[in-house]
Amino acid sequence: AQSVTQLGSHVSVSEGALVLLRCNYSSSVPPYLFWYVQYPNQGLQLLLKYTSAATLVKGINGFEAEFKKSETSFHLTKPSAHMSDAAEYFCAVSDHSSGNTGKLIFGQGTTLQVKP
Amino acid sequence: DAGVTQSPTHLIKTRGQQVTLRCSPKSGHDTVSWYQQALGQGPQFIFQYYEEEERQRGNFPDRFSGHQFPNYSSELNVNALLLGDSALYLCASSLERGGAYTEAFFGQGTRLTVV
Repeated sequence: AQSVTQLGSHVSVSEGALVLLRCNYSSSVPPYLFWYVQYPNQGLQLLLKYTSAATLVKGINGFEAEFKKSETSFHLTKPSAHMSDAAEYFCAVSDHSSGNTGKLIFGQGTTLQVKP
Repeated sequence: DAGVTQSPTHLIKTRGQQVTLRCSPKSGHDTVSWYQQALGQGPQFIFQYYEEEERQRGNFPDRFSGHQFPNYSSELNVNALLLGDSALYLCASSLERGGAYTEAFFGQGTRLTVV
């Protein structure tokens, strides 16, 4: 079975500081991994994805994540936080063991607060 | 491109009632998945529809059922509503490509409150 654990339900950073959101996964097959962002009262927007290509993945809005198989991690980073980055962030793994890419398994989420 | 659209955006129901939520997938997409997101939690997979059939199902009771129409739109039905069914229900659409990765696009969700 696949699972995702996000370490830290709340992260607070100052504007301009490094953002680091942690995600560890468990998977019996090579995983597809994702980071999504959710703003209040909205759906999910894909930030970036890892699908077994380059281990360092660049996404939208200056975010990137590195797939580390030895650590079973897929942490999300951004060099300099903006006020507009304040949102809920979800790490997810895709259950594609049956050949399709439908089912996403999400972590509990991390709320990012950005202080002026 | 309208993206994934869900209706209604909000609704309030009474315990024991039945509810139907609707989803229109992104243009060109043929697969629809439904998720339940309780307050403060990550989304939980309910089921996925492809070619008008339920292809995968998460750990949800039979009170949760769905349907996909020939135009790929989908409905989620919940019977005998419980207070615990209060949540944001998200629809995601994607294109089936024989196991190759395709991005899932999410709608804005339907906020269901059961009182």
